[in-house]
Amino acid sequence: KQEVTQIPAALSVPEGENLVLNCSFTDSAIYNLQWFRQDPGKGLTSLLLIQSSQREQTSGRLNASLDKSSGRSTLYIAASQPGDSATYLCAVKGGSYIPTFGRGTSLIVHP
Amino acid sequence: DAGITQSPRHKVTETGTPVTLRCHQTENHRYMYWYRQDPGHGLRLIHYSYGVKDTDKGEVSDGYSVSRSKTEDFLLTLESATSSQTSVYFCAISEGGGDQPQHFGDGTRLSIL
Repeated sequence: KQEVTQIPAALSVPEGENLVLNCSFTDSAIYNLQWFRQDPGKGLTSLLLIQSSQREQTSGRLNASLDKSSGRSTLYIAASQPGDSATYLCAVKGGSYIPTFGRGTSLIVHP
Repeated sequence: DAGITQSPRHKVTETGTPVTLRCHQTENHRYMYWYRQDPGHGLRLIHYSYGVKDTDKGEVSDGYSVSRSKTEDFLLTLESATSSQTSVYFCAISEGGGDQPQHFGDGTRLSIL
């Protein structure tokens, strides 16, 4: 059974810092890995999708990498802003087409 | 944003009453999912559908049933609601195939007293 772990569970940083959020998974036989953002009381917003054949994806200040062989993905946030404060979740989709979610990293960026 | 509408957005009801939540999509996507999200448990899959009348159980399906009679609608029913089913429920859709992303609705906050 696929297990997805996100470290750290919570993170508080000053504005302007570059951040790395981690996602690890136990079964490397995946189709893709997706990063989401969730604001309090809201649904999940898709940030980046990395296919199993890709190594990274970029969108603005966000860069996600994937190393299937080691079962790891990182989400890099450059020049963090208070508006980046949210919970970030990763989800891994395997052979059943059913994604497995991590518990998320709760990020606070303070001015 | 993906066209996903969940209704109702908020509901308060009593133990033992039936409750139906609706997910409506305008994307014509094949896959639809129901999750619940609780503190300390994260997102847990309740049921999913891979086509009209094709559904399967997730990891927390006890006490829930689903139906999908049209591509665009996926209904989640609590036949006799219990306080342990108080949660935030999310619907998600995916076009299908392993390389397709998921998109989520805004959620339904359900309180069972």
